Amino acid sequence: RKEVEQDPGPFNVPEGATVAFNCTYSNSASQSFFWYRQDCRKEPKLLMSVYSSGNEDGRFTAQLNRASQYISLLIRDSKLSDSATYLCVVPKGGNTPLVFGKGTRLSVIA
Amino acid sequence: DAGVIQSPRHEVTEMGQEVTLRCKPISGHDYLFWYRQTMMRGLELLIYFNNNVPIDDSGMPEDRFSAKMPNASFSTLKIQPSEPRDSAVYFCASSSRQGFTGELFFGEGSRLTVL
Repeated sequence: RKEVEQDPGPFNVPEGATVAFNCTYSNSASQSFFWYRQDCRKEPKLLMSVYSSGNEDGRFTAQLNRASQYISLLIRDSKLSDSATYLCVVPKGGNTPLVFGKGTRLSVIA
Repeated sequence: DAGVIQSPRHEVTEMGQEVTLRCKPISGHDYLFWYRQTMMRGLELLIYFNNNVPIDDSGMPEDRFSAKMPNASFSTLKIQPSEPRDSAVYFCASSSRQGFTGELFFGEGSRLTVL
């Protein structure tokens, strides 16, 4: 299994839809997980951290499933401005640099 | 506050030429990272520094690549000689002395095209 794997998409959804992405990781010792957002031709920016109990920020919910080694990102009531690539991020192991997934591309359509 | 500053933003060069990319991290950040992004491979970590010292350069693809951090406010990534397969966006990122909290602050990137 690769360190971090994501479905590349694209996910094309209408405004107002709910969409979910999953990301699998290989290192069972990983403790911290993150979702970054990258707009077209821009730099990645932190969207949210993923805690063992899950994390919710407005329309965005991130969850962790340690048993199956995946994290998920749920976006409710999609907006046009949510169109971007969402990168799943996991440390290699312990307190080490972050490994980025290749990203899942989301297009929200009017 | 200024974010991570990279230069040049765009560079087009010919195969065999030397390329130098520059990065100024956010003041007070102890960690500096160089990433490369391509469509095929995504974001790859090339090297990272802690307190100006290179910690892990296992991601540097070949001897043609080298990186330095002479002081806390400046780092360079050099490719000599450059090849077409080096074409990519090179990102510099920094993070605080709290270490890997998850928030890396990226610069806008240097888009390199090697002809």
